Amino acid sequence: DAKTTQPTSMDCAEGRAANLPCNHSTISGNEYVYWYRQIHSQGPQYIIHGLKNNETNEMASLIITEDRKSSTLILPHATLRDTAVYYCIVRVGGGSNYKLTFGKGTLLTVNP
Amino acid sequence: EPEVTQTPSHQVTQMGQEVILRCVPISNHLYFYWYRQILGQKVEFLVSFYNNEISEKSEIFDDQFSVERPDGSNFTLKIRSTKLEDSAMYFCASSASIWSGRTGNEQFFGPGTRLTVL
Repeated sequence: DAKTTQPTSMDCAEGRAANLPCNHSTISGNEYVYWYRQIHSQGPQYIIHGLKNNETNEMASLIITEDRKSSTLILPHATLRDTAVYYCIVRVGGGSNYKLTFGKGTLLTVNP
Repeated sequence: EPEVTQTPSHQVTQMGQEVILRCVPISNHLYFYWYRQILGQKVEFLVSFYNNEISEKSEIFDDQFSVERPDGSNFTLKIRSTKLEDSAMYFCASSASIWSGRTGNEQFFGPGTRLTVL
């Protein structure tokens, strides 16, 4: 799986949009971008994933650049409960690849 | 909303003892996983299980570890002879699929079992 690079930490004001960047410059054509988050030692929680088109669900939006070398997770209206470590994971979409490979992620702190 | 459950939430054991960590995956899921997270470190993949056999395992998952789906609902991780370095949070996860182009491939994680080896 391709390597990802994320900032160590970010701050965001409550109610504002949180934009979390991720670089994955070595991504290959059959690899998807996944985002998970982990709230203070709880189990990781799936947020969203995509291949090349932008994706949106009830939690967030995922913007993938045209060359697919980077992406941004957007939490449109961050709340205090969104304070967590956010992981960007690049993963081959199936076949014999089952695992998620977590990096250190970005600690997002939402401030009142 | 269906969820993955794990028991116990905290297990304390003596070095050299066997422990069994238990998980109940989401009922219609077919793929099961164990991960661990040593305090302050990354979440690490241990093993995946599908169709009653191990489908992928990491270097961490050595002969001291085993997994089993003893019935239609439980999924267990056994550590035969615990070491101090096995102290960690162990997360079970499950998914309906592994194919990213289809729905249901996201992994749902349980709340974890904190294992403390003394």
